[in-house]
Amino acid sequence: EAQLLESGGGLMQPGGSLRLSCVASGFSFSNFAMNWVRQAPGKGLEWVSVISGSSNTIYYADSVKGRFTISRDNSRNTLYLQMNSLRAEDTALYYCAKGEFVVPAAMGGLDVWGQGTTVTVSS
Amino acid sequence: QSVLTQPPSVSAAPGQKVTISCSGSSSDIGNNYVSWYQQLPGTAPKLLIYDNNERPSGIPDRFSGSKSGTSATLAITGLQAGDEADYYCGTCDTSLSAGHWVFGGGTKLTVL
Repeated sequence: EAQLLESGGGLMQPGGSLRLSCVASGFSFSNFAMNWVRQAPGKGLEWVSVISGSSNTIYYADSVKGRFTISRDNSRNTLYLQMNSLRAEDTALYYCAKGEFVVPAAMGGLDVWGQGTTVTVSS
Repeated sequence: QSVLTQPPSVSAAPGQKVTISCSGSSSDIGNNYVSWYQQLPGTAPKLLIYDNNERPSGIPDRFSGSKSGTSATLAITGLQAGDEADYYCGTCDTSLSAGHWVFGGGTKLTVL
């Protein structure tokens, strides 16, 4: 069974940095694009970033471009999100989600989600 | 403000049918596959429908999806109390990139 487990969330001051991790199991990690999706308290889903299976293709939402960096280590089956210059509006539950193909695409949807890790940015 | 437009809430009695709409544009729904996600209270989203109308294994056929032009619809028949959840539509905006996901604001389903 495919599973994703996020970690690394916490309470940070504005301007701080944090690195989230997402460990995958039950599927061939390198064969699939991976996404970060966040959900602010009481709000809807907001896509953050995606990385292809080989790390060749990376995209970011405008709201995090230049501050967040997505990466992956296929040898460790792990996805990362380096978050710098954190703002109050980055406060959210961060999910990693698996795509259906090695490249980013809407086809197939986001078929596996982790349980999320909470990031709170407050002074 | 979300790129895709969904009604904030819908409701129906057990056993009835409900539909949830998702409206977009030619650069997102009109030019790409739509998927639907169910988020039960306190849990992570779960893929319910992909590629407009396909169900992952384990999803009952009470759930169905359709797409026409720049709009998509999720239909749930034979409503059950356990269907109470938030439902989100999603797709990629091809004007930005092949993998730039956009979601609807979510629809809260209440089973009366």
